Amino acid sequence: GIQVEQSPPDLILQEGANSTLRCNFSDSVNNLQWFHQNPWGQLINLFYIPSGTKQNGRLSATTVATERYSLLYISSSQTTDSGVYFCAVVAASNTGKLIFGQGTTLQVKP
Amino acid sequence: GAGVSQTPSNKVTEKGKYVELRCDPISGHTALYWYRQSLGQGPEFLIYFQGTGAADDSGLPNDRFFAVRPEGSVSTLKIQRTERGDSAVYLCASSADRGYNEQFFGPGTRLTVL
Repeated sequence: GIQVEQSPPDLILQEGANSTLRCNFSDSVNNLQWFHQNPWGQLINLFYIPSGTKQNGRLSATTVATERYSLLYISSSQTTDSGVYFCAVVAASNTGKLIFGQGTTLQVKP
Repeated sequence: GAGVSQTPSNKVTEKGKYVELRCDPISGHTALYWYRQSLGQGPEFLIYFQGTGAADDSGLPNDRFFAVRPEGSVSTLKIQRTERGDSAVYLCASSADRGYNEQFFGPGTRLTVL
C-alpha cells in the first residue's frame, strides 16, 4: 500500500521563527490533508490540498503531486502552534481511507 | 453548524466485556469513517461507509470488531470480548459525497480496557 513519510519527526522552535514540514508519499493520491492535533487530541483540519498551493493566515501548504510531496509552512510561530502535525493521503487506487504519516511533533518555546 | 460528534468521550471497561461507540456525522455527509489511534501513532483506518453500506472494512483487525450505519447517518462501532490491546482513541470522520473529499474528524472516544 501507499507509504507516507513525514519529516522531521520532532521540531523545537523559538516563538517567532519559521518552519517547514515535509510529507513524502509513494503513489498517486486523490486527497491530501494536513491536520494539527491539539493537546486534547482533536484533529483540526488545516488544508485539503491534493495539488497546488493554499494559504491561511500564517500557514501555507504546497503539494507537488507529480513529485509526490507536500510542504507545510508555518511563519511567525506561536506557542499555540505546538502539537502534532499529520499529513494524510487517500491513494488514487483506493476507496476513501486516509493513510496517515507518523506526524511531526512541534514545540514552540516562548 | 455542528461538527462530528462522538459518544461517550471516555469509556472504561473490563477485559471480555462488550462496548459500543457512537458517531454522529456532519449533517448531509454520506461518507463516514472509523479510525483508531494508539499512543504516539497516527490514526489507522478501520472501516468506511458510503451511505448505509460498508464500502471498505479492510482495516477491522478481527471479527470482534463490527460497525453499522443502518439509516445512513449515525454509526455504531461494536467491539466484542474486549482485550487490553483494544485500548486506544477511536476516531470518527465524515465527508460529503465520495471518499476522496475532505474528511472532518470528531473528538474521539478514549477506550480503556482494564
